[in-house]
Formats: sequence, C-alpha cells, structure tokens
Amino acid sequence: GENVEQHPSTLSVQEGDSAVIKCTYSDSASNYFPWYKQELGKRPQLIIDIRSNVGEKKDQRIAVTLNKTAKHFSLHITETQPEDSAVYFCAASMQGAQKLVFGQGTRLTINP
Amino acid sequence: DTAVSQTPKYLVTQMGNDKSIKCEQNLGHDTMYWYKQDSKKFLKIMFSYNNKELIINETVPNRFSPKSPDKAHLNLHINSLELGDSAVYFCASSETAFFNGYTFGSGTRLTVV
Repeated sequence: GENVEQHPSTLSVQEGDSAVIKCTYSDSASNYFPWYKQELGKRPQLIIDIRSNVGEKKDQRIAVTLNKTAKHFSLHITETQPEDSAVYFCAASMQGAQKLVFGQGTRLTINP
Repeated sequence: DTAVSQTPKYLVTQMGNDKSIKCEQNLGHDTMYWYKQDSKKFLKIMFSYNNKELIINETVPNRFSPKSPDKAHLNLHINSLELGDSAVYFCASSETAFFNGYTFGSGTRLTVV
C-alpha cells in the first residue's frame, strides 16, 4: 500500500542541541522525498528535498539522509533555535500515482 | 505577489449548505492539488489536476467536486456539508505532475456547525 510512517510524533530538544526525525516508506519505486515545515496557523513550506540517486543532502543546519535499501530517510537539524519550533512533515512520491504521500507529522519544540 | 492564493481564508457554515473554495497560482505550474488537513494535522491528498485534466481522485465523497477552468485555477465545491468536513483545506501547485516540490496556498479553515 501507499504508506509513510513518521517518528516521533512529538520531539522536545534544548536550544543548541540536534533534532532527528525519521520516516519509512512502503513503495520501493518512490524516488523523491521532500520535507516540509509548518508553523502554527501557516502553510507547509518546503525546506529540503532529496532524490533517490543521492544518499545525503545538506543545506546549512539542515540535512537529509536516504537509505533506499531500508526504505527510510531522516531529517537532521543541528544547532537548533527557537524559530525551528514547528510541525515537520516528510513525504514520499508514489511512482505512477503522481502524488506525494505525507507522514503524520512531528511537532518539534525547542526549549530555550 | 502571492504564488498560490486561496479564498476564503475562513469559512463557517451550517450543515447541509453548499460552499466553494477558490485557488489560483501565478507560478506557471502545470499541476494543482487539493489536500485536506484534519485536526490531527494529517495531510491527505484529495484531487490532482494536470493542465486542467483530473489525474488523481482519491476516495473522497462525491459531495466534493473539483473544477479547473484553466491550469492556473483549481476550485473545490462541496455539497451538503457535514460536521466531519471541518478541516483546513490546502491548495498546492507543482511545476509538473512528477515529483517536484509543492508550493502550498495559505489554507482555508472550514468549520461546519
């Protein structure tokens, strides 16, 4: 079936520490994996994405890793700041279905 | 300029009414989507249009009918509204139908009373 599992559902870290959010997907043909950040009352916004021909991608404090064999991918945020507090969603493309299936979301709270 | 704009932002209506939500994108994208975000924040696709043609129609009650008059617009009409339809509805667009990042609209919070 078409499924993306995301863990944890909530995550609380101290400012300056790292945060890691993990996702697994079911469709072995999935080849595009974006991450979205949704602040309270706002729209989801793309923060980073990775395609299946790449194992890791980094953009300043944010990085994403992909393990195609295990069908899982992770978001890593280093040196967390209060403005990183939000709900984060992973997603995976469903080949042939031309759509993104989203994970359940992770509410990240950065404690000052 | 807003890339993907939705109207209205808030919609409060009584059960049984019919309502529409409008979406427009000025990015020149080929593909547009409707997603529903429930109270638990879960984002689920409802419909997708590529160049005015319906390409995805998930298991959605037929009270929901999308319409795309051109590739820059995708509207959502809902008949006979029910309490369970209360949610935030997001329009989104992408450059093509094949796996590009979505740009979301600001959402429409629908409350059925």
